[in-house]
Amino acid sequence: EAGVAQSPRYKIIEKRQSVAFWCNPISGHATLYWYQQILGQGPKLLIQFQNNGVVDDSQLPKDRFSAERLKGVDSTLKIQPAKLEDSAVYLCASSPTRAGVGQTQYFGPGTRLLVL
Amino acid sequence: AQSVSQHNHHVILSEAASLELGCNYSYGGTVNLFWYVQYPGQHLQLLLKYFSGDPLVKGIKGFEAEFIKSKFSFNLRKPSVQWSDTAEYFCAVISSGGSYIPTFGRGTSLIVHP
Repeated sequence: EAGVAQSPRYKIIEKRQSVAFWCNPISGHATLYWYQQILGQGPKLLIQFQNNGVVDDSQLPKDRFSAERLKGVDSTLKIQPAKLEDSAVYLCASSPTRAGVGQTQYFGPGTRLLVL
Repeated sequence: AQSVSQHNHHVILSEAASLELGCNYSYGGTVNLFWYVQYPGQHLQLLLKYFSGDPLVKGIKGFEAEFIKSKFSFNLRKPSVQWSDTAEYFCAVISSGGSYIPTFGRGTSLIVHP
């Protein structure tokens, strides 16, 4: 089966600019996650969707980050405006099970963002 | 909030050496425990997981991990590493005590010398 797809793979922008990342999960997977992975750290959950509803966004910096999952399939994560500290790899993952315990996540290749 | 500690940030071994990577988490309750691996240039992928039952779980490529509830630990082991095991290893927890938010450790970079 096809894996989780993400685009772009790399992005370089200047601070205060906007950027958007796209994720296409594995077909049929109900739950979708966005993570931020700063160099030298583990992935940190930003937002978790179940179908097209938000399960958890407690760690999403809502003043500048937004995400949506239209029709419960693809998802977009946006940063507006970007700051230097947003430089990181943004990972998308999906899971066939409902949010909660018992989730095995399948990860995409990530988008590497550099903010200058 | 749930936290996950991986005590070894960088490990360097020779081939055939034994491996043990530590992982401890903060909150209990119902827990699901995972080890993910990221080989150079590849995606994060599942190595093994514990949901319930036998606390000694076996994963791919000869890896195993033991869940010790009393110690809040889920250490990863392999009796004899290979050069191809060179990768970044992440421990992750999903728990009722942590509001079911997947929480990852900072990772351990393993280098195996041939």
